[in-house]
Amino acid sequence: QLQLQESGPGLVKPSETLSLTCTVSGGSIRNRSYFWVWVRQRPGKGLEWIGSIYYSGGTNYKPALKSRVTISVDTSNNQFSLRLTSVTAADTAVYYCASLGLYDRSGFSQNSFDSWGQGTLVTVSS
Amino acid sequence: ETVLTQSPATLSLSPGERATLSCRASQSISDYLAWYQQKPGQPPRLLIYAASNRATGIPARFSGSGSGTDFTLTISSLEPEDFAVYYCQQRSNWPPYTFGQGTNLEIK
Repeated sequence: QLQLQESGPGLVKPSETLSLTCTVSGGSIRNRSYFWVWVRQRPGKGLEWIGSIYYSGGTNYKPALKSRVTISVDTSNNQFSLRLTSVTAADTAVYYCASLGLYDRSGFSQNSFDSWGQGTLVTVSS
Repeated sequence: ETVLTQSPATLSLSPGERATLSCRASQSISDYLAWYQQKPGQPPRLLIYAASNRATGIPARFSGSGSGTDFTLTISSLEPEDFAVYYCQQRSNWPPYTFGQGTNLEIK
């Protein structure tokens, strides 16, 4: 079972850049059966997919955030990271990193978020 | 973008009762639907993937059904630990992956 842990500042000033890192343990980030994703949850609201990355570096982003988001992977440290520029109060949220497992134990197509970090609250405020 | 609409927004039931949660997609997503459970202060937990497959370690009282645009999560007999918020999520038409707005299953 994979374990994921987010780290980074809990407070970011408006117009600055939010940077978070997710450390993966219990497995290799190079495992071809996973994508690595960021999801956020604004206070009292639902879940919002931000973007995904494959171990090779290929990315996909939510169109509405694409101009401000960069997700990168560091295979040597088994980590992947999120950068969100020009933040506003609307970016205040709990940010989760997660794994998108492509297959279940039987090799059947799964394509779901099967392991999650505990989440980290990022507040945008001056 | 595929919009997922969950109903009801809140469901009030007692332990032992049967819970039926609905998720409707704005366009066909085949069976590319997952369900998650989230308790306060915790990350979501994967319950069901590919519309009807239970994830590892999920009790048999949880079942999923549906295809196309209409999906259902059923909890056959509610246990006290089942009271939580439930989200559906699609991966058919992506990016983006999208989630429903959630159903709050509360104790009556």
